[in-house]
Amino acid sequence: EAQVTQNPRYLITVTGKKLTVTCSQNMNHEYMSWYRQDPGLGLRQIYYSMNVEVTDKGDVPEGYKVSRKEKRNFPLILESPSPNQTSLYFCASSFRLGSYEQYFGPGTRLTVT
Amino acid sequence: GQSLEQPSEVTAVEGAIVQINCTYQTSGFYGLSWYQQHDGGAPTFLSYNALDGLEETGRFSSFLSRSDSYGYLLLQELQMKDSASYFCAVKGGGATNKLIFGTGTLLAVQP
Repeated sequence: EAQVTQNPRYLITVTGKKLTVTCSQNMNHEYMSWYRQDPGLGLRQIYYSMNVEVTDKGDVPEGYKVSRKEKRNFPLILESPSPNQTSLYFCASSFRLGSYEQYFGPGTRLTVT
Repeated sequence: GQSLEQPSEVTAVEGAIVQINCTYQTSGFYGLSWYQQHDGGAPTFLSYNALDGLEETGRFSSFLSRSDSYGYLLLQELQMKDSASYFCAVKGGGATNKLIFGTGTLLAVQP
């Protein structure tokens, strides 16, 4: 089944404790991105990747890191989480740059206390 | 800058037709998409319009008028399962392939 998976689905952590949210897709998509969703603000892009070893900042990259060492995986790293990073996070992928349809993972609900 | 406006909430009854509007302001235009999201779940793609006119996919249709910077999603024969948030999105140009989302319209379908 074609899908985007994320882990963990739920996470409660404390300020400053490094964490990684994994994202994997099995569709051989070139393009992957991370969004965060906050009430009243919709979905905002954090980082994106056009292919292996090619990543760049989206609209709200502060406090986040990403890497793309393999085509299928695109982990999101929070080196020192803070409470303002409490949010619902989605990973998404699409076939290539310019594709208008993006496939979203199930989401990771992160709470930083 | 780029922005999209949608109504925050819409209520309709089962079996009815509902229209969700979206107006956008963009520095470049590369198409209008619609996504559905059930209660914090994964957004799922519904439709895409690059050119003016109506695109129909089953009970859902989407319309675009580029001259008016306006589009809408039309849902017919509403079912309870259509209760969800609906987001319009425009694709930012250039290298990012970024989808810029509206803040979403919460559709409540009542029996």
